[in-house]
Amino acid sequence: AQSVTQPDIHITVSEGASLELRCNYSYGATPYLFWYVQSPGQGLQLLLKYFSGDTLVQGIKGFEAEFKRSQSSFNLRKPSVHWSDAAEYFCAVGPNNNDMRFGAGTRLTVKP
Amino acid sequence: DAGVIQSPRHEVTEMGQEVTLRCKPISGHNSLFWYRQTMMRGLELLIYFNNNVPIDDSGMPEDRFSAKMPNASFSTLKIQPSEPRDSAVYFCASSLARTDTQYFGPGTRLTVL
Repeated sequence: AQSVTQPDIHITVSEGASLELRCNYSYGATPYLFWYVQSPGQGLQLLLKYFSGDTLVQGIKGFEAEFKRSQSSFNLRKPSVHWSDAAEYFCAVGPNNNDMRFGAGTRLTVKP
Repeated sequence: DAGVIQSPRHEVTEMGQEVTLRCKPISGHNSLFWYRQTMMRGLELLIYFNNNVPIDDSGMPEDRFSAKMPNASFSTLKIQPSEPRDSAVYFCASSLARTDTQYFGPGTRLTVL
């Protein structure tokens, strides 16, 4: 069965600092991997996705993620966080775009 | 371009009442998804449609829940009768094809008293 674990429920970083959000997955084959962001009161917006090919994926808003098969991880990174990045971030895994399983989410707080 | 539209944005009802949530997907999109988000269970896929046909409803929690898509531009999720444990945010998403990116609506926050 597929599953996603986001170990950090809440992370606080200072504006301008680097960010890494962790995501570990369990899946029998090479999965489709996604990162979504949810701002308060809003729906989810896709940041980036990985299907195959280059394991370092670039997304919108300056985010990137790296697929590491040996570690079953797909961590999200950003070199310099902006106050507007404060939101909830969800990792998802699935056999395709349709049957995604979402992690519990990581809430990001950005300190001035 | 208008995104996915959901109505109402907020719904407060009493236990036992019928609740209908509505979704208008992005024009031209062929796939539509209903999700439920709660603190306890996170974000769960309830059902998805492709070309107006329900493909997978295994996530629908019980018979009190039903979803329809009478045409390409409209879908409903109905709960009858509603219970307090149905309180959640319900999201609708659509995609151009089954293998394409999903675009989410703003959600409907349902509170069942």
